[in-house]
Amino acid sequence: DIQMTQSPSSLSASVGDRVTIACRASRRISTYLNWYQQKPGQPPKFLIYDVSNLQTGVPSRFSGSGSGTDFTLTISSVQPEDFATYYCQQSYIDPPTFGQGTRLDLK
Amino acid sequence: QVQVVQSGAELKRPGASVTVSCKSSGYTFTSYYVHWVRQAPGQGLEWMGRINPGGGGGTKYAQKFQGRVTMTRDTSTSTVYMELSSLTSEDTAIYYCAREDGAGATKLDYWGQGTLVTVSS
Repeated sequence: DIQMTQSPSSLSASVGDRVTIACRASRRISTYLNWYQQKPGQPPKFLIYDVSNLQTGVPSRFSGSGSGTDFTLTISSVQPEDFATYYCQQSYIDPPTFGQGTRLDLK
Repeated sequence: QVQVVQSGAELKRPGASVTVSCKSSGYTFTSYYVHWVRQAPGQGLEWMGRINPGGGGGTKYAQKFQGRVTMTRDTSTSTVYMELSSLTSEDTAIYYCAREDGAGATKLDYWGQGTLVTVSS
């Protein structure tokens, strides 16, 4: 199975900060990389697919980049509703696997 | 609008089985795969498998759950079922169903609200 490793596991930010979350795959996955956001007590929400494509309705302050094994999720200016846990997921090969999550909380 | 609604919380004894349902609406049920993902308390997301509601209802399961999980569907009610047997406390988790977006890779665009399964004696 492809292992997905996110860093950091948690980070603190203030409203308006720019934050970046990294995701590394244990082997090359081309651009088959997706991101989800999960708030407490809610299911994950589909944010970004194929590295950099925003799902409908996702604010443009979210962006994704990378290819091969290294990927990033960036929030250009964190808003109060962005404090949540973020997961990357590879869809290159079965089984689909998720990173362990990065918790973004308020500094 | 697309909606995915799961059955309610379950409390099971070790060794028992549990069946969770996932009812879809707002789209053509047979055109989109449905996946099951679970999340143990305070933990991350774990893929369990998927089912193709169209055709013959083909399935693919994660190796970890082979022999213990069964996914089925009822096209008359647009409902997918996930049965997990031989439960242990390690199976205590929230179980989610999610629709795959139809583009040919596992991108999960609509999720159910989750079903808490608690395994305890």
